[in-house]
Amino acid sequence: QSVLTQPPSVSGTPGQRVTISCSGSYSNIESNTVNWYQQLPGTAPKLLIHNNNQRPSGVPDRFSGSKSGASASLAISGLQSEDEADYYCAAWDDRLNGPRFGGGTRLTVL
Amino acid sequence: EVQLLESGGGLVQPGGSLRLSCAASGFPFRDYAMSWIRQAPGKGLEWVSSVSGSGGDAYFADSVKGRFTISRDNSRNTLYLQMNRLGADDTAVYYCAKGLVPSVVGLNWFDPWGQGTLVTVSS
Repeated sequence: QSVLTQPPSVSGTPGQRVTISCSGSYSNIESNTVNWYQQLPGTAPKLLIHNNNQRPSGVPDRFSGSKSGASASLAISGLQSEDEADYYCAAWDDRLNGPRFGGGTRLTVL
Repeated sequence: EVQLLESGGGLVQPGGSLRLSCAASGFPFRDYAMSWIRQAPGKGLEWVSSVSGSGGDAYFADSVKGRFTISRDNSRNTLYLQMNRLGADDTAVYYCAKGLVPSVVGLNWFDPWGQGTLVTVSS
C-alpha cells in the first residue's frame, strides 16, 4: 500500500465537478507540498498541479488543488471527455526520505 | 524544448542486469536533479531513485536499494540506472523525469517525463 491514499476511481458526467482526495500523514502531506500528475491513456504522466495549488502554464483553470493538514484534493470543474485519465498525488516523505506517489485514481467521464 | 529519451529496456532473465539511459536536451542538465519512476503493467507510479544535479547525492526506494545504482554524466547530458539482480517485480515501464532544482531533498517535482522504456524480467 502507498503512504498516500487515493480512491481507486471516480466518475462524473460532462460539465460536472469532481474531486479526488489524497490522504497522508504528518511526515508527507502535512510537512511538504503536494503535486498532482495526470496520465492520459497510453501516455507518460504530466505535471498538473504543483506546490499544492499552482497550475503550470497551459493547464486549464478547470483544474485546482488544495491542501489542509494531512490531506490534499484535486478538483476538476466543467468535466470534459478528454479529462478521462489516471490522476496521482505526490509528496516528499520525511520519514521515508524520498518522494511518494498515491495509488492513483481513474477518472471516468460517463 | 526540454526532451528526455530513455533507452536500454528489454527482456532480461531473473537475476540478470540491465542499464537504462536517459538522454536529455533543451536545458542545463547539471542544474537539475533527475529521477527514475516506474510503472508495472496496469499498476500505479512508483518512485525508484533520484540523483542531485552534481551526482553526489542519491536516494533509492527500499524496493531497489542495494540492487540499483543511479548515476549521471553531465558532460553527455545523460542519466543512467544500473539494475542488478532483477526479479519479476521489476517488470515495468521506466520513466526518467526532470526535477525543479539541483537538490533531491524535498523533491516531488517530476516534469517533464520521457516516453518510458519497458523492462521485462522473465525466463
